[in-house]
Amino acid sequence: EAQVTQNPRYLITVTGKKLTVTCSQNMNHEYMSWYRQDPGLGLRQIYYSMNVEVTDKGDVPEGYKVSRKEKRNFPLILESPSPNQTSLYFCASSLSPTRQVGGMNTEAFFGQGTRLTVV
Amino acid sequence: QKEVEQDPGPLSVPEGAIVSLNCTYSNSAFQYFMWYRQYSRKGPELLMYTYSSGNKEDGRFTAQVDKSSKYISLFIRDSQPSDSATYLCAMSRGNTPLVFGKGTRLSVIA
Repeated sequence: EAQVTQNPRYLITVTGKKLTVTCSQNMNHEYMSWYRQDPGLGLRQIYYSMNVEVTDKGDVPEGYKVSRKEKRNFPLILESPSPNQTSLYFCASSLSPTRQVGGMNTEAFFGQGTRLTVV
Repeated sequence: QKEVEQDPGPLSVPEGAIVSLNCTYSNSAFQYFMWYRQYSRKGPELLMYTYSSGNKEDGRFTAQVDKSSKYISLFIRDSQPSDSATYLCAMSRGNTPLVFGKGTRLSVIA
């Protein structure tokens, strides 16, 4: 089954304690990205990766790091979490934003989300 | 002006009603238009997509794009309680990542 898997689904942590949220996809997609979703602000892109070893900042990258050592994995790292990073996080993957399949810009597949609370 | 504007609602309708959800955008270079549906505690999933202007119908759902007005719509006919979700519009120039609206929360009351 084609899917994007995030772990953990729920996480409560304390300010300053480094954490990693993992994301893995089994569709051989080139493009992966991380979003955070907050009430009234919608989905905001944190980082994205066009392919292995290629990453770039999205709209709200401050306080986050990512790496793309393998095509299937794209972990999100919070080196020193703060309460303003309390949010719902989604990982997404697609073939490529520049690739077209059946005339459309390729669909983004989302993970189930990670609810992070930083106290 | 934000690139994509979407009324967050919430929108509450009785079962069987026709629902109209809308987004406006400012970037005339957008070519690909999508609607995602997000159920509570789930990730968004693609519902409809349209390339350039025009209409597309899939069952009870119709997506419309009016590029001259920079306006897109999603219509849901004979709405059901199972349609209760947040609906996000998304669009792209075709060589860039998707830009999402903030989402409209819909409740269909039985």
